[in-house]
Amino acid sequence: GESVGLHLPTLSVQEGDNSIINCAYSNSASDYFIWYKQESGKGPQFIIDIRSNMDKRQGQRVTVLLNKTVKHLSLQIAATQPGDSAVYFCAENSVKERAGSYQLTFGKGTKLSVIP
Amino acid sequence: DTAVSQTPKYLVTQMGNDKSIKCEQNLGHDTMYWYKQDSKKFLKIMFSYNNKELIINETVPNRFSPKSPDKAHLNLHINSLELGDSAVYFCASSSRTGKAFFGQGTRLTVV
Repeated sequence: GESVGLHLPTLSVQEGDNSIINCAYSNSASDYFIWYKQESGKGPQFIIDIRSNMDKRQGQRVTVLLNKTVKHLSLQIAATQPGDSAVYFCAENSVKERAGSYQLTFGKGTKLSVIP
Repeated sequence: DTAVSQTPKYLVTQMGNDKSIKCEQNLGHDTMYWYKQDSKKFLKIMFSYNNKELIINETVPNRFSPKSPDKAHLNLHINSLELGDSAVYFCASSSRTGKAFFGQGTRLTVV
């Protein structure tokens, strides 16, 4: 079954506001997490990642927070722009027993709509 | 240069046909993947493959088979296509860090 999920399937925000997209995961062995952005008709695009030895990581206008205690991941987008409209996925990546075998498990996705 | 490229972008075919989707990566990655995205946008892994081993998701029908002529290519072959196979298929590759890069997708429509 799925081990990664999202609280909010859709999110509408006003242009210029901050967006927060949440994700819950259940595999405590996961040591690496990634947020992807998928625009219509395109493949998932890497946004930001974080390893389990960190609780926060910042990029350009984006911040990922990891709370291992409650197995929660969030993506914060500052000053949301129309170009941010897309479906956002969290994914967890755990190393399988066989060396070198990584597999990304994706959450259901949150559709972010930015209102101009 | 496109890091992960897959062809065709669109594929419309009749039930019962056999088709292939090609994927190439120029990132020098050791591991490649195929994912299926359904109409609800859910992404599910089908295969992961490196030069050592193939890992198959047990829910994938054996009509689906990955074929890798070399480390930079992982093609997806599908036999006896069914209506339920209609979806968007994504190829991806990753290094040992685990960060995966995706292709643009192939929208398969079975009629």
